[in-house]
Amino acid sequence: AQSVAQPEDQVNVAEGNPLTVKCTYSVSGNPYLFWYVQYPNRGLQFLLKYITGDNLVKGSYGFEAEFNKSQTSFHLKKPSALVSDSALYFCAVSARGSSASKIIFGSGTRLSIRP
Amino acid sequence: ETGVTQSPTHLIKTRGQQVTLRCSSQSGHNTVSWYQQALGQGPQFIFQYYREEENGRGNFPPRFSGLQFPNYSSELNVNALELDDSALYLCASSSGQGQETQYFGPGTRLLVL
Repeated sequence: AQSVAQPEDQVNVAEGNPLTVKCTYSVSGNPYLFWYVQYPNRGLQFLLKYITGDNLVKGSYGFEAEFNKSQTSFHLKKPSALVSDSALYFCAVSARGSSASKIIFGSGTRLSIRP
Repeated sequence: ETGVTQSPTHLIKTRGQQVTLRCSSQSGHNTVSWYQQALGQGPQFIFQYYREEENGRGNFPPRFSGLQFPNYSSELNVNALELDDSALYLCASSSGQGQETQYFGPGTRLLVL
């Protein structure tokens, strides 16, 4: 069965500092991995995805994520945080080869960037 | 903005009633997925429709049902509403299955009293 774990409910970072939001996954076979962001009272916005190829994926708003197969992780990173990055972040996984695009989401990590 | 729209934005119902939520997919997308997001949790997959047929279902009872129309818009129907059905219901559209990115609408917030 597929699962996603986001071990931190909240991450606090000072503006200008690097940030990391952690994600580990479990899936049979090779995964498709996604990061989404959710602002208050809004739907989810796509940030980036890993399908295959380069383990470092670059996405929207300066975010990137590194796929690590041996550690089954897909941590989200940004070199320099902005106050506007404060939001709820979700990691998600889909099983490669599945007939339906069933995406399993983690429980979310609230990112708070202080000025 | 993704081009995925949902209606209504908010809805209040009482226990036992039925509700229909609507979703218009992004232009060019033939796949719609529905998710339930309870307060403080991540979205949970309800089901997916691909070219008007159900194409995968999560762990939700049969009183959750859906439709997809020839223009690829979709409806989510919930019968016999329960208090625990109170949640944000999200619709996502994509241009296919598997690795295709799903683009989400703003959601419908349902409150069951």
